[in-house]
Amino acid sequence: NAGVTQTPKFQVLKTGQSMTLQCAQDMNHEYMSWYRQDPGMGLRLIHYSVGAGITDQGEVPNGYNVSRSTTEDFPLRLLSAAPSQTSVYFCASSYLQGWNSPLHFGNGTRLTVT
Amino acid sequence: AQTVTQSQPEMSVQEAETVTLSCTYDTSESDYYLFWYKQPPSRQMILVIRQEAYKQQNATENRFSVNFQKAAKSFSLKISDSQLGDAAMYFCAYRSRAGGTSYGKLTFGQGTILTVHP
Repeated sequence: NAGVTQTPKFQVLKTGQSMTLQCAQDMNHEYMSWYRQDPGMGLRLIHYSVGAGITDQGEVPNGYNVSRSTTEDFPLRLLSAAPSQTSVYFCASSYLQGWNSPLHFGNGTRLTVT
Repeated sequence: AQTVTQSQPEMSVQEAETVTLSCTYDTSESDYYLFWYKQPPSRQMILVIRQEAYKQQNATENRFSVNFQKAAKSFSLKISDSQLGDAAMYFCAYRSRAGGTSYGKLTFGQGTILTVHP
């Protein structure tokens, strides 16, 4: 069982470039989300989705887009990378029913924008 | 909006000793979930323990237990018989059961780095 798969593990971008972070889960989770982790700030929610075709913004959505065309996939797009987007990004998923269901995390993507 | 505060940026403990990591949160909700996650240097996020707010009994998982004080909005993690493998960043997190903009959202604290000395 693969769980939550994130690619790539590392990425370096130049300011202004765009890219997509991929996230896929094979647990049939309705809920998927993207977080960024920065030193001293914990993890902050960027975007989330409660099902295919449904997405919404989290705390720090600016500069990022998401879509959810299937239950399994939830890509995160950086439209025009900025140094402030240098961070570690995590995709996480869970069931919607039974809220004690913990989030299952991918292994993270370390992104550096120069 | 909910907030989660971990006031201890760093903690240290001797191997085999006990350590307690603090977490407080702010919410107007009465029903929610609380979690502790561990993040070792591998960057993986690992669930340590979970607590349902409507349950008065404190959760335990082997050497890990919590002290959940709902009125004080406190959720501390106690690690007994600390092991070298416990060294990691620990995050406290809050999950709402309400609908609307809080739906499903997990709010994290800033994290506490735990060092275990042999």
